[in-house]
Amino acid sequence: EPEVTQTPSHQVTQMGQEVILRCVPISNHLYFYWYRQILGQKVEFLVSFYNNEISEKSEIFDDQFSVERPDGSNFTLKIRSTKLEDSAMYFCASWDIVSGANVLTFGAGSRLTVL
Amino acid sequence: DAKTTQPTSMDCAEGRAANLPCNHSTISGNEYVYWYRQIHSQGPQYIIHGLKNNETNEMASLIITEDRKSSTLILPHATLRDTAVYYCIAETSGSRLTFGEGTQLTVNP
Repeated sequence: EPEVTQTPSHQVTQMGQEVILRCVPISNHLYFYWYRQILGQKVEFLVSFYNNEISEKSEIFDDQFSVERPDGSNFTLKIRSTKLEDSAMYFCASWDIVSGANVLTFGAGSRLTVL
Repeated sequence: DAKTTQPTSMDCAEGRAANLPCNHSTISGNEYVYWYRQIHSQGPQYIIHGLKNNETNEMASLIITEDRKSSTLILPHATLRDTAVYYCIAETSGSRLTFGEGTQLTVNP
């Protein structure tokens, strides 16, 4: 069954460092998403991406965050200068139509720990 | 997007049916009811969705009331591996999914 692949599974970084989280969405999907989940809290929407541009972003997705699709397969989330509060699981997802409605397939996540 | 209300937690015996309720009294006509689950800290997993009619797939059944103000997810024969947080989400197709607190389902041996 097709799946969304995320790397790394776990990254530890120092506060202020740049981090890039990578995702390979399902190949024929066209919409891509990043969500995050701080430990013990809800899954929160960060950003959606379609046709090589951001289609929607949340208030969490500030200037420290950026996304891009550098080639035909990868979809990346960059955090320019990490803060302690960026520690979370980050989930990539891609979108397909199932029975007339969009259905998201999520990756296993990348755990980011900021020290 | 319509707000959904779910119980915080539920228990179910292994092998029995798990019935997870969800209220979405403000749902609009073009909003689907989606169910996802999250096992530990894994990525959310799609289970099923519906608009008006009841739906069934290999994982579960979804019963939507005629007025669409509530729904029930049914796992017909719960196993220990079904222990997870189950999210009911009412959204229009193409919109971002907004996750709430969900229901922690614990399947007991």
